[in-house]
Amino acid sequence: SQTIHQWPATLVQPVGSPLSLECTVEGTSNPNLYWYRQAAGRGLQLLFYSVGIGQISSEVPQNLSASRPQDRQFILSSKKLLLSDSGFYLCAWSVGIDSPLHFGNGTRLTVT
Amino acid sequence: QKEVEQNSGPLSVPEGAIASLNCTYSDRGSQSFFWYRQYSGKSPELIMFIYSNGDKEDGRFTAQLNKASQYVSLLIRDSQPSDSATYLCAVKNSGGYQKVTFGIGTKLQVIP
Repeated sequence: SQTIHQWPATLVQPVGSPLSLECTVEGTSNPNLYWYRQAAGRGLQLLFYSVGIGQISSEVPQNLSASRPQDRQFILSSKKLLLSDSGFYLCAWSVGIDSPLHFGNGTRLTVT
Repeated sequence: QKEVEQNSGPLSVPEGAIASLNCTYSDRGSQSFFWYRQYSGKSPELIMFIYSNGDKEDGRFTAQLNKASQYVSLLIRDSQPSDSATYLCAVKNSGGYQKVTFGIGTKLQVIP
C-alpha cells in the first residue's frame, strides 16, 4: 500500500533562516505531488504541484520554491523565512487523472 | 470570485440530526470533487469523492453533485459528536494540470 512520509513534524525557525521540508511517497510510481500551507484558522493554500520529475507548477511564488529531484520526493525550500511563512505545511499525493489527494501528517512551522 | 466557496460556519446540529454542508465552485469544466474531514491540528482525511451528477452514498455520508449549478454538497446522517470537525470541499480543476483547489472549510459542531 501507498504511504507518505513528511518531516519534521514541528519546526521553530528564526526570521531570515533557510527552510527545507521533505516529503516522500512509497508504494506508487509517478505520483502527482502537492505542497499546501494552512495558516492558523485559514483554509488550504496551494503552493506548488508537480506531475513529474522536474515539472513544478507554482501558485504562490513569494519566497518559497519547490523541487522534485526524484520521482517520489518533493522538497519545499526557502532561502530566508518571513514571519508570514508560519503555518501548517502539508504534502499530498495522487495518481492518475481524477483520483483524490492523500495527505501526509504535516509540518507545523513557527517563524519567530 | 473565489474558486471554491464554503460557508465557514460554525454549523451546529444536535446529535442524531442530518448535517448539510455546501460548496460552490467557479471552474465549470471541473470533473472531480472531494470532501475531506480535518480535526483540529491534524491533516485532512478523505471522506468521499464524486465525479458524476447525482448522489453517491457511503454509510452515513452522501455526496451530491450538480454540475449545471456548480454545486457540491455533503450530507451526514445520524450526526455524532465525533463528526465535529472542519469539512473541506476540494475541486480538481479542468485543463489536465492536476491542480486541486480547496474551500476554506465548514466547521461542524455536533451537540450531544
